[in-house]
Amino acid sequence: AQSVTQPDIHITVSEGASLELRCNYSYGATPYLFWYVQSPGQGLQLLLKYFSGDTLVQGIKGFEAEFKRSQSSFNLRKPSVHWSDAAEYFCAVGASSNFGNEKLTFGTGTRLTIIP
Amino acid sequence: DARVTQTPRHKVTEMGQEVTMRCQPILGHNTVFWYRQTMMQGLELLAYFRNRAPLDDSGMPKDRFSAEMPDATLATLKIQPSEPRDSAVYFCASGLIRGTGTEAFFGQGTRLTVV
Repeated sequence: AQSVTQPDIHITVSEGASLELRCNYSYGATPYLFWYVQSPGQGLQLLLKYFSGDTLVQGIKGFEAEFKRSQSSFNLRKPSVHWSDAAEYFCAVGASSNFGNEKLTFGTGTRLTIIP
Repeated sequence: DARVTQTPRHKVTEMGQEVTMRCQPILGHNTVFWYRQTMMQGLELLAYFRNRAPLDDSGMPKDRFSAEMPDATLATLKIQPSEPRDSAVYFCASGLIRGTGTEAFFGQGTRLTVV
């Protein structure tokens, strides 16, 4: 069965500083990987996804993530964070089935706090 | 702007009562998911449907939970009888699955409190 580990429960970053959120996955086949963001009281919004091809993927709001098969990682990065980036971030892996890769397993999330 | 709509946004009910949560998926999407989010367990997949047919409900307590799609514009999740441990945020998500490689779009959730 697939699993996702987000080792950092809470990260605090100064506004304007760079950000990297870690994500490690366990899956026997080629993974389909996602990063979602959740603001308080809101649903999850997709930031970016990796299915195949270029291992560096660009997403919305200036985020990017790099798939590293050798490290089983899919870390999320942003060169300069804004106060509006404060939220909970979830990494997820999609499991393949007879129908596709739609069954998502989520990590426990990383809460991002931005300080002025 | 297409979005997944969930009702109600908040629900407080007494233990033993029936609770029904509703979801309107994005028009044209063929797959609907129900997730539950709690502090202890995080995000768990309860059930999902493809073209209104249930594909997997292994994450759902069968004795009290049921999920249906009466038509393509409505998915329901019902709990009967409800228990305090069911208190959580329930998310509906929809997606257009075409072979492999798609994403799920989430609604804003129903925050359920069972007292």
